Amino acid sequence: GQSLEQPSEVTAVEGAIVQINCTYQTSGFYGLSWYQQHDGGAPTFLSYNGLDGLEETGRFSSFLSRSDSYGYLLLQELQMKDSASYFCAVYSNYQLIWGAGTKLIIKP
Amino acid sequence: DTAVSQTPKYLVTQMGNDKSIKCEQNLGHDTMYWYKQDSKKFLKIMFSYNNKELIINETVPNRFSPKSPDKAHLNLHINSLELGDSAVYFCASSQTNRSVPPPYEQYFGPGTRLTVT
Repeated sequence: GQSLEQPSEVTAVEGAIVQINCTYQTSGFYGLSWYQQHDGGAPTFLSYNGLDGLEETGRFSSFLSRSDSYGYLLLQELQMKDSASYFCAVYSNYQLIWGAGTKLIIKP
Repeated sequence: DTAVSQTPKYLVTQMGNDKSIKCEQNLGHDTMYWYKQDSKKFLKIMFSYNNKELIINETVPNRFSPKSPDKAHLNLHINSLELGDSAVYFCASSQTNRSVPPPYEQYFGPGTRLTVT
């Protein structure tokens, strides 16, 4: 079957760095995406990795290792507004396969 | 200039009723989706249409019927509503041209919170 595993919850302190991991097992792989969803809001696209390595977008970075079927989202200089759920999703066979989401709790 | 819009935003109804949720996108995308998000935040794909053609039809009760009158609209009709149908339903769209590579970023509507009593 197809599955993505990510931690259900991560807690960090404002101003710190946090890493959210994602491992996947899918038939066919065209890339790993990350989406952010605030409580009561809709998921919004954050980043995409189609090739191995690190992609940086401001305070957020995303990494992919296709040989390890593993990726992570790195959030730096955490702000309270980063409190949200983060979903990894794999593009496979013309559809996105979603992880269950990681709730990021940020403490002052 | 909302990209993906859904109506209604909230829907409270009784078991056994039939209801519809409407979705429209003005991004010119060729693919539209319906997702169900339960209280545990799990996002489950229900249906996907590409250029008005159904391409994904996951294991969903046949009480749920999508309808795409054109590329910009994808509606969801639900018959004989049950308590377990209570969830947030998201419509999304993406440009999924097979001749270009992913990410085929999906743009989500604001969601419709359905409560069945």
